[in-house]
Amino acid sequence: GQQVQQSPASLVLQEGENAELQCNFSSTATQLQWFYQSPGGSLVSLLSNPSGTKHTGRLTSTTVTKERRSSLHISSSQTTDSGTYLCAIALTGGYKVVFGSGTRLLVSP
Amino acid sequence: GGIITQTPKFLIGQEGQKLTLKCQQNFNHDTMYWYRQDSGKGLRLIYYSITENDLQKGDLSEGYDASREKKSSFSLTVTSAQKNEMAVFLCASSGTSEQFFGPGTRLTVL
Repeated sequence: GQQVQQSPASLVLQEGENAELQCNFSSTATQLQWFYQSPGGSLVSLLSNPSGTKHTGRLTSTTVTKERRSSLHISSSQTTDSGTYLCAIALTGGYKVVFGSGTRLLVSP
Repeated sequence: GGIITQTPKFLIGQEGQKLTLKCQQNFNHDTMYWYRQDSGKGLRLIYYSITENDLQKGDLSEGYDASREKKSSFSLTVTSAQKNEMAVFLCASSGTSEQFFGPGTRLTVL
């Protein structure tokens, strides 16, 4: 089965609303990272958060390692937040990195 | 900071052709990766390399070869391009905790 599962698959918000994205993984992760991908663009690292809670700007990530889950909270969403959010974990001693299928976020004005 | 460069940006090939994609990084990272992304889908790991001259197969290595002759560069070869194949190939490198990506090579096979 899939090693990294993300939910929801897609999310539509009005500008100003908050978003909560989930990432569940089936193996022990030594590394966990959230990425943003704009349509047709490459991946931009948002947060590296293997455990605990981390903040940057309007983003908060909480990872509970023993429960094998991580969340990404986006507060006060903006239209420029639209795109795909990907969760990735490192397996096998920390080198093999695999991705979830992503959450497609659309923020309308 | 550093940068990852991928060449070419666009690659058009014929069915059965052998095609090579190149990736360079100046982060001085030990580990490098090649991923394939099909339209609207997630990333699938093709090959990764822990250090110079090391190669590890990912989940999608069949039909591909890779080469890591220098720490700063990682090449991927499509051994026989499939007709109507269209995907973006993304190269990444990582140090101790974070992975960084290049801009991608967009492949079209006619």
